[in-house]
Amino acid sequence: EAQVTQNPRYLITVTGKKLTVTCSQNMNHEYMSWYRQDPGLGLRQIYYSMNVEVTDKGDVPEGYKVSRKEKRNFPLILESPSPNQTSLYFCASSSILGIQYFGAGTRLSVL
Amino acid sequence: GQQLNQSPQSMFIQEGEDVSMNCTSSSIFNTWLWYKQDPGEGPVLLIALYKAGELTSNGRLTAQFGITRKDSFLNISASIPSDVGIYFCAGRGMDSNYQLIWGAGTKLIIKP
Repeated sequence: EAQVTQNPRYLITVTGKKLTVTCSQNMNHEYMSWYRQDPGLGLRQIYYSMNVEVTDKGDVPEGYKVSRKEKRNFPLILESPSPNQTSLYFCASSSILGIQYFGAGTRLSVL
Repeated sequence: GQQLNQSPQSMFIQEGEDVSMNCTSSSIFNTWLWYKQDPGEGPVLLIALYKAGELTSNGRLTAQFGITRKDSFLNISASIPSDVGIYFCAGRGMDSNYQLIWGAGTKLIIKP
């Protein structure tokens, strides 16, 4: 089954404790992206990747890092999380037709 | 970053009513997509549009790619309780391979 898998689904952490949210897709897509969703603000792009070793900033990249060492994986790294990074995070990958497929989401709370 | 103008922000409707929402852009697009997000889940594609003027249906859902390439609408006929959720529009610019520009979403609530 074609899917985007992100883990964990829920995460509660404390300020400053490094964390990684993993994302994996099995559709051989070149493009992958991370979004955060906050009430009333829709989906805001954090980082995206056009291919292996090619990453670029989206609209809200501050406080986040990504890497793309393999085509299928695109982890999101928060080196020193802060409470304003409490949000719902989505990973997506895109077909050549421009259709983005989303993971089920990771709800992060930073205390 | 640029965001599409999606309206309305929210809708409170009775079961059985028809629903209409739309998105507009200041620039022209070659693709319009409509997604639905159920509570606690990721957005799922409903309809994809690739040609100006294209009208596409998916069950009770109908979407159109505006003739100017700067707008799109989504209609839902005879709404049912499982239609509740957030609906997003997204557009792909003429010079974009994969990047999408998103609307802020329309939250659909059905009154009991």
